Amino acid sequence: AQSVTQPDIHITVSEGASLELRCNYSYGATPYLFWYVQSPGQGLQLLLKYFSGDTLVQGIKGFEAEFKRSQSSFNLRKPSVHWSDAAEYFCAVNTGNQFYFGTGTSLTVIP
Amino acid sequence: DGGITQSPKYLFRKEGQNVTLSCEQNLNHDAMYWYRQDPGQGLRLIYYSQIVNDFQKGDIAEGYSVSREKKESFPLTVTSAQKNPTAFYLCASRWAGQEGQPQHFGDGTRLSIL
Repeated sequence: AQSVTQPDIHITVSEGASLELRCNYSYGATPYLFWYVQSPGQGLQLLLKYFSGDTLVQGIKGFEAEFKRSQSSFNLRKPSVHWSDAAEYFCAVNTGNQFYFGTGTSLTVIP
Repeated sequence: DGGITQSPKYLFRKEGQNVTLSCEQNLNHDAMYWYRQDPGQGLRLIYYSQIVNDFQKGDIAEGYSVSREKKESFPLTVTSAQKNPTAFYLCASRWAGQEGQPQHFGDGTRLSIL
């Protein structure tokens, strides 16, 4: 069965520091992968997506993610975090008609 | 602007009462989904629909019902059989028929028990 693991429940970074959020997936074929961000009391907003081709994908708000087939990973990165990036981040896999989400990583940004 | 509208934003249910959460989209998407979100558990699929008048159960369908009479609408009813309905409910939609299309989400409805 497909699954998505986000090993870090909560991460705290200083404003201006770099960020990496981890995501590992379990899927036989090359998956379709997504990162979403959720602010408190809001829905999920798509940050970026990976279908095929270049393993480094660029998204909105200065985020990027790298697909590594050998490690079954799709980690999200940002070179310099802003206070407005504080939110919950979800990694997701799409197969057929369904999506499988990780349990999320909560990001706190300290001044 | 195209998007997904969920209403109401907050909803309160009395014991033994059924309540219906609304989800409307004007994106002309084929597929629509309902998720339940609880702290620390991510998103769990309740129901989804690929076309009008057809829908499938997700992982936690017990105590919930849906209908899909129109392409743009996918209401969710939380019945009295759902013993722990307090949660944040999210509706999503996407283009069907092509794998890899992302889901788009509404802003959610928070349901609480009185």
